[in-house]
Amino acid sequence: DAKTTQPPSMDCAEGRAANLPCNHSTISGNEYVYWYRQIHSQGPQYIIHGLKNNETNEMASLIITEDRKSSTLILPHATLRDTAVYYCISRINFGNEKLTFGTGTRLTIIP
Amino acid sequence: DTGVSQNPRHKITKRGQNVTFRCDPISEHNRLYWYRQTLGQGPEFLTYFQNEAQLEKSRLLSDRFSAERPKGSFSTLEIQRTEQGDSAMYLCASSQTGSNYGYTFGSGTRLTVV
Repeated sequence: DAKTTQPPSMDCAEGRAANLPCNHSTISGNEYVYWYRQIHSQGPQYIIHGLKNNETNEMASLIITEDRKSSTLILPHATLRDTAVYYCISRINFGNEKLTFGTGTRLTIIP
Repeated sequence: DTGVSQNPRHKITKRGQNVTFRCDPISEHNRLYWYRQTLGQGPEFLTYFQNEAQLEKSRLLSDRFSAERPKGSFSTLEIQRTEQGDSAMYLCASSQTGSNYGYTFGSGTRLTVV
């Protein structure tokens, strides 16, 4: 699985959009980009994933660049409950089954 | 189904003692994973099962660690002769073959070895 790079920490004002970047310059054509988050003292929670196209669900949007070397997770209206560590992971589906986590981005939502 | 359940939530043990953790996955999920997480780090893969078969083990899983999933449902992770370095959060996750919607994690068991 390709290595991903994320900033160690970010702040965002409550009610604003939080944009979390991820670099995955060595991603291969069959690797998906997954995002998880981990709120303090809980297990990681799946947010969203994508291959090439931008994706949106009830939690977030995922924007993947055309060359697939980077992506951005967007939380459209951040709340205090979105304070967490966010992990960007690349993974081949239906192949190597394990997720390889980095150290993620610690997002703090400021009231 | 309330998700992945892990017991106990917290465990304090003396160095040298054996400990066992239990994970109950989502009932229709055939895959089960164990991860370990230390402070400030992301979760690290330990092992995974498809039904009752243990298909992959990380080199992090030393001889003192053993995991089982005897009937393809719940799983146990045992650590023998615990060491202070075993202190960590142990996370369990489950998924279903053919689903690419990621894993569902439990809340973890926090182990403290004193």
